[in-house]
Amino acid sequence: AQTIHQWPVAEIKAVGSPLSLGCTIKGKSSPNLYWYWQATGGTLQQLFYSITVGQVESVVQLNLSASRPKDDQFILSTEKLLLSHSGFYLCAWSPQLSNERLFFGHGTKLSVL
Amino acid sequence: GMPVEQNPPALSLYEGADSGLRCNFSTTMKSVQWFQQNHRGRLITLFYLAQGTKENGRLKSTFNSKERYSTLHIKDAQLEDSGTYFCAAELTGGSNAKLTFGKGTKLSVKS
Repeated sequence: AQTIHQWPVAEIKAVGSPLSLGCTIKGKSSPNLYWYWQATGGTLQQLFYSITVGQVESVVQLNLSASRPKDDQFILSTEKLLLSHSGFYLCAWSPQLSNERLFFGHGTKLSVL
Repeated sequence: GMPVEQNPPALSLYEGADSGLRCNFSTTMKSVQWFQQNHRGRLITLFYLAQGTKENGRLKSTFNSKERYSTLHIKDAQLEDSGTYFCAAELTGGSNAKLTFGKGTKLSVKS
């Protein structure tokens, strides 16, 4: 069975500090991987997606970057956090070449102070 | 306007009631998905539709690409149905990966 694991569960960070959020998918080779961001009480916004290792497409520019160093790993990061980065970050995967079904991780709650 | 408009923003039901949520699209969409988000933030996929109607237990969803809308119908609402429901649509001819989400409907089911 496939599992998706996000870390950390929650972070409290200072403005201007760096950030790295991780996501690992086990049990599925070559998944499509996605990062979503959700402002508190708001809707979801797709940030990045990746179809294969080393390839990441940006959907929305929010002064964040993403990388896919391994087939099963997706990293979201920035060198300098802004207050507006606060929110809930969700990683998701879908079967290769199909957007038919999305499986989400538990999410990371980020508070930037 | 917004590419995906979701209504109502909030909904309160008593247990056993039936109700529906709706998403209207500003343009032709290739597919629609419906998600439920629980109070912990966990999102689960309820339906994926490229056309037509699907049912799963007490939930039923319809997608009419030509008329540019999708609905999610909840029958015999239960307490565990509480949460926020999102629709998300994929543009026809767009990237295979981009979904645009509605603003969500916050559903509260009361006993």
